[in-house]
Amino acid sequence: AQSVTQLGSHVSVSEGALVLLRCNYSSSVPPYLFWYVQYPNQGLQLLLKYTSAATLVKGINGFEAEFKKSETSFHLTKPSAHMSDAAEYFCAVSDGTLGRQLTFGSGTQLTVLP
Amino acid sequence: EPEVTQTPSHQVTQMGQEVILRCVPISNHLYFYWYRQILGQKVEFLVSFYNNEISEKSEIFDDQFSVERPDGSNFTLKIRSTKLEDSAMYFCASSEANQGRGGELFFGEGSRLTVL
Repeated sequence: AQSVTQLGSHVSVSEGALVLLRCNYSSSVPPYLFWYVQYPNQGLQLLLKYTSAATLVKGINGFEAEFKKSETSFHLTKPSAHMSDAAEYFCAVSDGTLGRQLTFGSGTQLTVLP
Repeated sequence: EPEVTQTPSHQVTQMGQEVILRCVPISNHLYFYWYRQILGQKVEFLVSFYNNEISEKSEIFDDQFSVERPDGSNFTLKIRSTKLEDSAMYFCASSEANQGRGGELFFGEGSRLTVL
């Protein structure tokens, strides 16, 4: 069984400030971890993924995430928020088994204040 | 850039009616998925499809639901006898490699189903 918990359903930051979106996972096997972003009225777009290679993963739009096994975390960060980052962000986990699903967290709505 | 396309973008139906949601996955992809998101809730897995058969399905995917790949391009989700609680955004996704091995899922923009 696997699950994802995203702490904070809403996060607000000022433009130029650090973005930190929290994700903790539970998995009985080594996980594959993903962050997706959903802009209004659009589908889910992959930001980055962890698949057991480097623990610090860089993604698109300046985002990165660090896999910390000891903390079962995969938090998403960006050094400097931009207005265009306003969106909903979803963390997801897979156990890597052939044909298995992604299990999503409940999402975090990011608001960027001018 | 190749993309997953879904139709319709929004469908309103009466309770008890049948609905078919259509998806055109990216052409060289082999795995196809349906997810749904009830307003204000998590994105939930419904079903995955590979080699013309269901490879995995969730508890949500009961006999009311079915999927089909009727030709070489379309992937459909049929919901029989819709219920109020079927109102949700339905996302189609595809991948060229199994996502559990790190293959990226490409999602469509979703089909919003409203059941009255």
